[in-house]
Amino acid sequence: AQSVAQPEDQVNVAEGNPLTVKCTYSVSGNPYLFWYVQYPNRGLQFLLKYITGDNLVKGSYGFEAEFNKSQTSFHLKKPSALVSDSALYFCAVRDMNRDDKIIFGKGTRLHILP
Amino acid sequence: KAGVTQTPRYLIKTRGQQVTLSCSPISGHRSVSWYQQTPGQGLQFLFEYFSETQRNKGNFPGRFSGRQFSNSRSEMNVSTLELGDSALYLCASSLERGGPDQETQYFGPGTRLLVL
Repeated sequence: AQSVAQPEDQVNVAEGNPLTVKCTYSVSGNPYLFWYVQYPNRGLQFLLKYITGDNLVKGSYGFEAEFNKSQTSFHLKKPSALVSDSALYFCAVRDMNRDDKIIFGKGTRLHILP
Repeated sequence: KAGVTQTPRYLIKTRGQQVTLSCSPISGHRSVSWYQQTPGQGLQFLFEYFSETQRNKGNFPGRFSGRQFSNSRSEMNVSTLELGDSALYLCASSLERGGPDQETQYFGPGTRLLVL
């Protein structure tokens, strides 16, 4: 069965510092991987995805993520955090070889401290 | 293009009642998925519809049901509401399965349901 884990419930980063939000996954085949962000009282917004190709994926708002097949990870990164990046971040996975649903992680709350 | 719309945005019901939530996907999108979001459980998948057919279903009791119409609009229904059904219900649409550009889901703002 496919699964996704976000090991940190909360991450605190000072403004201007680099940030990382961790995600690991488990699928039997090859994964489609996604990051979404949720601001208060809003739905989820798509940030970026890995389908195939380059392991480093660039997305919206200066975010990027690196697909690491050997470590089954897809960590979200940004070189310099902004206060406005404070939000709830979700990692998601779907097994591309199965007609199965997308599974979301429990979310990581990112706090950027001014 | 207009985004995913969900109605109503807020709803208060009492235990035992039933509720119907509506979702209009982005124009041209044929796949609609529903999720329940709660602080303790995160995002939990309810069901996915494609071309009026339920393609996948999550681990929810039979009180939770849904359907999709020929114009891709979708509704979900919860009967015999329980206090634990209080949550944010999110709808997401995507073009369809099967290709790199077709996998991205676009979410609506959600319907916040409070069961008293």
